[in-house]
Amino acid sequence: EAEVAQSPRYKITEKSQAVAFWCDPISGHATLYWYRQILGQGPELLVQFQDESVVDDSQLPKDRFSAERLKGVDSTLKIQPAELGDSAMYLCASSLGGDEQFFGPGTRLTVL
Amino acid sequence: GESVGLHLPTLSVQEGDNSIINCAYSNSASDYFIWYKQESGKGPQFIIDIRSNMDKRQGQRVTVLLNKTVKHLSLQIAATQPGDSAVYFCAEILRSGGYQKVTFGTGTKLQVIP
Repeated sequence: EAEVAQSPRYKITEKSQAVAFWCDPISGHATLYWYRQILGQGPELLVQFQDESVVDDSQLPKDRFSAERLKGVDSTLKIQPAELGDSAMYLCASSLGGDEQFFGPGTRLTVL
Repeated sequence: GESVGLHLPTLSVQEGDNSIINCAYSNSASDYFIWYKQESGKGPQFIIDIRSNMDKRQGQRVTVLLNKTVKHLSLQIAATQPGDSAVYFCAEILRSGGYQKVTFGTGTKLQVIP
């Protein structure tokens, strides 16, 4: 069964360092989403791609966060510099263009 | 701004009983709604969805009800099993500008008592 892949699964970093997360969506899925989920809360959309184009990054803290999907397939989310408040689960999801999003297992980030 | 929320943060039910998880939404323009299940350490998993022009939809052991008059959504799980223990999120989807905007609620933790 096709799945969304994410790596790493866990990341521990010190504040002010740079971190990067990778996501490989289900093959053929044109839409890719990055979410941040703070413990005990629902996922919050950070950025949405349609193929290689950003269609919504209104909630992305652009002073420190960046995201790219250069070839319209896999994607990278970067944080530089990381802050204590960035500790969270970072989830990637993809969809074929319809309604259902398929989520990856997430990357648990801890900033010390 | 528009938001999606849940009435109960934690719900404990006896194994075999039915569970009802509730969600209130405020954006009457939302096109459809999805219920997700999230187990510890995993990403959310789609359970069932419902279009805004429907008031009920049934799946395997799950039923979603939509009351647009009071902007209320519920997920009913029949014969709750230990494997149903998880956090459940409702999500509100609005199609705008050629893409869909998804807003998640804060979640309800379902604890099944054996």
